[in-house]
Amino acid sequence: DAKTTQPPSMDCAEGRAANLPCNHSTISGNEYVYWYRQIHSQGPQYIIHGLKNNETNEMASLIITEDRKSSTLILPHATLRDTAVYYCIVRVNYGQNFVFGPGTRLSVLP
Amino acid sequence: NAGVTQTPKFRILKIGQSMTLQCTQDMNHNYMYWYRQDPGMGLKLIYYSVGAGITDKGEVPNGYNVSRSTTEDFPLRLELAAPSQTSVYFCAMGSGTLSYEQYFGPGTRLTVT
Repeated sequence: DAKTTQPPSMDCAEGRAANLPCNHSTISGNEYVYWYRQIHSQGPQYIIHGLKNNETNEMASLIITEDRKSSTLILPHATLRDTAVYYCIVRVNYGQNFVFGPGTRLSVLP
Repeated sequence: NAGVTQTPKFRILKIGQSMTLQCTQDMNHNYMYWYRQDPGMGLKLIYYSVGAGITDKGEVPNGYNVSRSTTEDFPLRLELAAPSQTSVYFCAMGSGTLSYEQYFGPGTRLTVT
């Protein structure tokens, strides 16, 4: 079972910031939080990951709460091409298993 | 660089047939993975490999086999195909760094009838 909880769907107006929440209340101290997205039927695309500190790259920002029990992925200026399913993932134990839950279906509206 | 290449893109199998899904990466990464994604669901890990000659089971390995004779190739074998194996199959590679991000191929859509 996935160790994360995400809303099943969200809408965002084009050009506005999209804020996608994720709860991971049972995360362990050394587990990373990863975000991927899947556009239509393509393979998932890596977006960003973080451990404790907030992270930013050319695609998005990741805000992790101080207690690490939740995080928010921010797409600062959403475009129609950002319409996708977004997955928040916490790595299980220290092995290789990533568990993809159902994710959040983000619809960017014109 | 192409990253991860998967063939074929689509395939229809009859029940009981066998086939091999091919996966090749050109980034010289040690870690490779096979996932399946059923309609409307997230991905589930079938098998993974941490290097040539080393493979291990994921969450849903039954009905599948893998091999890893080279760093580049990680084929997935289906023996005695069943309708429950109708799915989209994704191969992925990973750098093996501490943070373990993965990069996915375009997928193979398999239908078993």
